[in-house]
Amino acid sequence: DIQMTQSPSSLSASVGDRVTITCRASQGISDYLHWYQHKSGKAPQLLMFRASSLQSGVPSRFSGSGSGTDFTLTITGLQPEDFATYYCQQTFSAPWTFGPGTEVEI
Amino acid sequence: EVQLVESGGGLVKPGGSLRLSCAASGFTFKSYTMNWVRQAPGKGLEWVASISPSGYLLYYVESVQGRFTVSRDNAKSALYLQMNSLRVEDTAIYSCARYGSDGSGLDFWGQGNLVTVSS
Repeated sequence: DIQMTQSPSSLSASVGDRVTITCRASQGISDYLHWYQHKSGKAPQLLMFRASSLQSGVPSRFSGSGSGTDFTLTITGLQPEDFATYYCQQTFSAPWTFGPGTEVEI
Repeated sequence: EVQLVESGGGLVKPGGSLRLSCAASGFTFKSYTMNWVRQAPGKGLEWVASISPSGYLLYYVESVQGRFTVSRDNAKSALYLQMNSLRVEDTAIYSCARYGSDGSGLDFWGQGNLVTVSS
C-alpha cells in the first residue's frame, strides 16, 4: 500500500499569511494527488486535483504543485474561513490512501 | 445540482451487521466510480471502498476486506455498503463520494452517516 505523510501536522498562522503544507508518498504516484479541506461537521471539499488543478469554485489563493512523491499545497493570503484541516489523497493505486491531515489554526 | 444522501446508520453491537445506502441525484450515476470514506471520532479521513461504474471492479481498505461489501444499483442511482462482523473500531461517520472523471479526485461528498458499534 502507498503511505502518505503530511507536514506539519498542525500550524498556527495569521490572516494574510502564506501557508505551505507538504505531502509525501511512499512511492511514485505521478500526479494522482488531490487536496481536500475539511471543516468539522461539514463534508470535505475538493480543493486541488491532479496535484495542480484548481477545482471549480475554489478561490485562486489555493495552489498546488508536485509530481512523483513530493507535493505541496499553498494558501497565499490566508483568510479566516481557511481555518480547517487539510488532507492529501493519492488515487494512483488502491487502497486510495489519505494523509493524516494538517490542522490550520488562524 | 449533484446530491449524495446517505442513510442506514445507527447503533449496532459488535459482530452485528448494518447496510448503508447513498442516494445520488443530479448527475449520470452510472458513469462514475463511487466511494465510501469514513472518519472515526478524533481521527482523519480513511478511504474504505470503491466501485467502478459497471460495478465489476471493487476495491477495499485491508481492514474491512472480507467484512464489507460495496455494491451499486445504477437503475436506482444508489450506492450501498453492507457491513458485517462489525467491530468497535468501525465506529465512524461514513460518507459516500463521487470520483470525478479523468481522475479528478473525490469531487462531491454526502454529509455522512454515523455508525456506532458498541455493546
